[in-house]
Amino acid sequence: EPEVTQTPSHQVTQMGQEVILRCVPISNHLYFYWYRQILGQKVEFLVSFYNNEISEKSEIFDDQFSVERPDGSNFTLKIRSTKLEDSAMYFCASSGGQRWDEQFFGPGTRLTVL
Amino acid sequence: GDSVTQMEGPVTLSEEAFLTINCTYTATGYPSLFWYVQYPGEGLQLLLKATKADDKGSNKGFEATYRKETTSFHLEKGSVQVSDSAVYFCALSDLGAQKLVFGQGTRLTINP
Repeated sequence: EPEVTQTPSHQVTQMGQEVILRCVPISNHLYFYWYRQILGQKVEFLVSFYNNEISEKSEIFDDQFSVERPDGSNFTLKIRSTKLEDSAMYFCASSGGQRWDEQFFGPGTRLTVL
Repeated sequence: GDSVTQMEGPVTLSEEAFLTINCTYTATGYPSLFWYVQYPGEGLQLLLKATKADDKGSNKGFEATYRKETTSFHLEKGSVQVSDSAVYFCALSDLGAQKLVFGQGTRLTINP
């Protein structure tokens, strides 16, 4: 079965540095998402993306965050200047096709900001 | 806003025991309801879903029924196995909004 992939699996960065998290959604999906889970807390929605633009974003998704679909396969999340509180597991998801209401998640990228 | 509340964990059971994980929700619209499972070291996998009142979602021996009158979607399994050990998340998606709203997750451990 097709799956969502994410790279890297673990990213360690210094506070203030830029990071880019990468995702390859399922190929025929049209909707893409980012979620994050701070250790011990709920999985939280960050942003959804459709037709090359953001369709919805949460309060967490401020000016430090951006998303991009630079080519036909990748979907990226950029954090411009990381803060300690950005340390979390970041999940990419995609949906579309016949099972349009089902989101398929990647394995996540653990971001550690020092 | 929309929210999901799950029973507090962790939950520890013996193999072949009956499992219930409670989930209740609040939503302004008429949401679809989901259970996701996260096995150690892996991402979230959709376990089952229900899109309208009285629908029953089922998969791998797990079941959950969409109860609009009690705003609940409790997860049940008649006989759990060690391989069911994982974190279980209840979630909703409101009509017209694509985002998922998750509960806090319930860690389940099954002992042989």
